[in-house]
Amino acid sequence: DQQVKQNSPSLSVQEGRISILNCDYTNSMFDYFLWYKKYPAEGPTFLISISSIKDKNEDGRFTVFLNKSAKHLSLHIVPSQPGDSAVYFCAASMNRDDKIIFGKGTRLHILP
Amino acid sequence: DVKVTQSSRYLVKRTGEKVFLECVQDMDHENMFWYRQDPGLGLRLIYFSYDVKMKEKGDIPEGYSVSREKKERFSLILESASTNQTSMYLCASSRGGVYTEAFFGQGTRLTVV
Repeated sequence: DQQVKQNSPSLSVQEGRISILNCDYTNSMFDYFLWYKKYPAEGPTFLISISSIKDKNEDGRFTVFLNKSAKHLSLHIVPSQPGDSAVYFCAASMNRDDKIIFGKGTRLHILP
Repeated sequence: DVKVTQSSRYLVKRTGEKVFLECVQDMDHENMFWYRQDPGLGLRLIYFSYDVKMKEKGDIPEGYSVSREKKERFSLILESASTNQTSMYLCASSRGGVYTEAFFGQGTRLTVV
């Protein structure tokens, strides 16, 4: 049973507009959430994270929002740039267990 | 900067061979992970190690084993490679403790023929 779900396999966004990637989770014990970006033939790179004591974390063009009651988080990229075209993975972990569980990923295409 | 190094970028092995994938991290991290990435399935955890000689099964451990004799090195072993183990294998490490992210190696694309 999937604990971290990314229900959109792909997303296309115009350059300069906002990209919004969504993620849902089922395990209420998760208390730390991460987003990774992955280019083909490379390992994922860490982008941004948020702990369950916050509802928003911002880093430059990237903002992650957490809605604990809905078990939902989203990554906002503003403005979207061509180099943002990649696969984005949502991940989650819990304090008592350092395992990190990933979703299936969303492929983001930034259109010129 | 954290560096996680996987011994090979590309490997081609025959069915039935014993395959070793090696991973080394240079940041004295407590935790190390092996994932595989397949189209449409995302990153799936194979094994996790939280200390030397300590390991836990992930979601898909069947057909794999691991070894962690030294803190910096974590090996994934395919005892008898099969074609359904053709995949991208990704090693990662993390400091452990509260709210820590994992850092990934560049990946090993394994093809079993």
